[in-house]
Parts: sequence; structure tokens; C-alpha cells
Amino acid sequence: IAGITQAPTSQILAAGRRMTLRCTQDMRHNAMYWYRQDLGLGLRLIHYSNTAGTTGKGEVPDGYSVSRANTDDFPLTLASAVPSQTSVYFCASSDATNNQPQHFGDGTRLSIL
Amino acid sequence: GENVEQHPSTLSVQEGDSAVIKCTYSDSASNYFPWYKQELGKRPQLIIDIRSNVGEKKDQRIAVTLNKTAKHFSLHITETQPEDSAVYFCAASNTGGYQKVTFGTGTKLQVIP
Repeated sequence: IAGITQAPTSQILAAGRRMTLRCTQDMRHNAMYWYRQDLGLGLRLIHYSNTAGTTGKGEVPDGYSVSRANTDDFPLTLASAVPSQTSVYFCASSDATNNQPQHFGDGTRLSIL
Repeated sequence: GENVEQHPSTLSVQEGDSAVIKCTYSDSASNYFPWYKQELGKRPQLIIDIRSNVGEKKDQRIAVTLNKTAKHFSLHITETQPEDSAVYFCAASNTGGYQKVTFGTGTKLQVIP
């Protein structure tokens, strides 16, 4: 079944540790996105990528980095996790060229202690 | 940048009644307006969308209206059912540079049997 796969589904992490959230899509979408979802704040864009090899900053990029080595994969890295990064993280992809809707993965629930 | 406001934040209706969720946006360049439904612990899923060249779109019990002059759009759910209970997000999108999507903060809809 085509879609977006995120891993892990949940993780508890000590502050200061490095963590990479994985995201893979098989729909050949050119654009991919990372959002964090916090209660009462909706979905906030962290980073995006329009195409393989390019990335950009969203609304809340500090403390996060991304890479887009190929069309399918878009990992999100927390270099040194802090408690304020406790959140649910959603990866999404879309055919942005034609302004098509974004499709979301199942999310990663991350707790930083 | 774009600012999307969504009201109400919570909404309770009796089963069979209608529910209306309203959103306003600030950027006149926005030209695509998707609505997502998110059940507890699940991913946001697209339920309906509308583009700027259309004033209304309907899909069974769900309809969306768009007033570009006033920069507002609304989701209408008729004959509500308990399975409609979820959080609903509106969004505004354009393709200036990349597919910049700004989400509202969500409406928690509760349908009381």
C-alpha cells in the first residue's frame, strides 16, 4: 500500500542525546515536510524539501536539521534533544508542483526527559 | 506570512444536527484550502478541499464554502454522526516558491449520541 512510513512510532529520550526520526514515502512526491504537533498549537512546520537535494526552514526550525539525499527519504535529526522538543512529529509529502494535498505519516511520539 | 485563524476551538452537537467550522486567512495569494480530520492518536487525513476558482464544493454530508473577498472559508457537516467526532484542521496553501501550507489550530468536534 502506497504511503508514508515513519519510525519509530514512539521514543523516550534523555536530554542531550541525538535522535533521528525516519520518514520514507513511495508515492514519488517531490515535496516532503516535517511538522510538530503540540496541544492547542496545531501543526507547525519545522523543515521542508521541494525536491531531492534541497531543504528549507519552516516556522520552528531551531534545534532540528534535515537532509534529502533522494526522493523517498527525509530524516529529521535532533542534534541535542531538549525537553521543549517533546511533541508528536508528523512527516508529510505532496505533489507540490501541482499544489496537491499533503499526505501524512502516522507520527512519532517523542518524549524528552 | 500567512495567518490562519480557526473557530471555534471546541464544538459539541447532538447527533443529526449540523456542525460549522470557520476559518479566516490573511494572504491573498493563498489559492488552495484543504480540510483535515484527525482522530485521537491518528494521522491527519484529508476530507475535502477547495481551490480559489470555486466558491463551494460538496461531498455527501460534507461541504466547504470559500469567500475570497472576505478571506474566509467554512466546513459544513450535516446529519452528524458519532464517528464524525474528531479534531478538524483547516489550512491555506499557495505555491510561491514551495507549497507553503499554514494550518489552523484545530476544532475539536464532539457529536453526542
